[in-house]
Amino acid sequence: TQLLEQSPQFLSIQEGENLTVYCNSSSVFSSLQWYRQEPGEGPVLLVTVVTGGEVKKLKRLTFQFGDARKDSSLHITAAQPGDTGLYLCAGLSNTGNQFYFGTGTSLTVIP
Amino acid sequence: GAVVSQHPSWVICKSGTSVKIECRSLDFQATTMFWYRQFPKQSLMLMATSNEGSKATYEQGVEKDKFLINHASLTLSTLTVTSAHPEDSSFYICSASEGVGEKLFFGSGTQLSVL
Repeated sequence: TQLLEQSPQFLSIQEGENLTVYCNSSSVFSSLQWYRQEPGEGPVLLVTVVTGGEVKKLKRLTFQFGDARKDSSLHITAAQPGDTGLYLCAGLSNTGNQFYFGTGTSLTVIP
Repeated sequence: GAVVSQHPSWVICKSGTSVKIECRSLDFQATTMFWYRQFPKQSLMLMATSNEGSKATYEQGVEKDKFLINHASLTLSTLTVTSAHPEDSSFYICSASEGVGEKLFFGSGTQLSVL
């Protein structure tokens, strides 16, 4: 089983603060995705990173894929209450036939 | 963008009854669909992979006779929880893709409560 460990598991911060969520594995993935999920809904895709070392920005969110394609990070600048949710990373196996989901990070941004 | 519809959104049933959950791809053909179970504030636990026209592949520890999966067409997969018990209460989510390794699209989930 290819495990993706996310840290921290829970995070509660004040509005305006910055934060970083990590997604780590000992396995290599051909690509990695980040999702955000709100209670009672399905996950929504935020970004896909494919190339080792790749950095993608989505407004206040910055995603980075590790050089070895084993890990990734999500940095949020000036967090807002609307950023509250469960963040999930998901790695696509090198065989390309299965996604493995991370353990999840539950973020709460307090107004 | 692609849409996956999951129905019902929530269901309450009595212990011992069976519940069917539907997952439909509305604007694309989904050769592969996935079924997950999720507990509050936790990640998705893959239950099974459903391929159109063939038997589903179940993850270790998931009872295939309890969680029946049917993927009869390229746009519909169903998960039936048979003889449901309170411990089966959970949030169930499906996802679909157009092909192996292709982008995943998620349904909105089904909250099952077994009394």
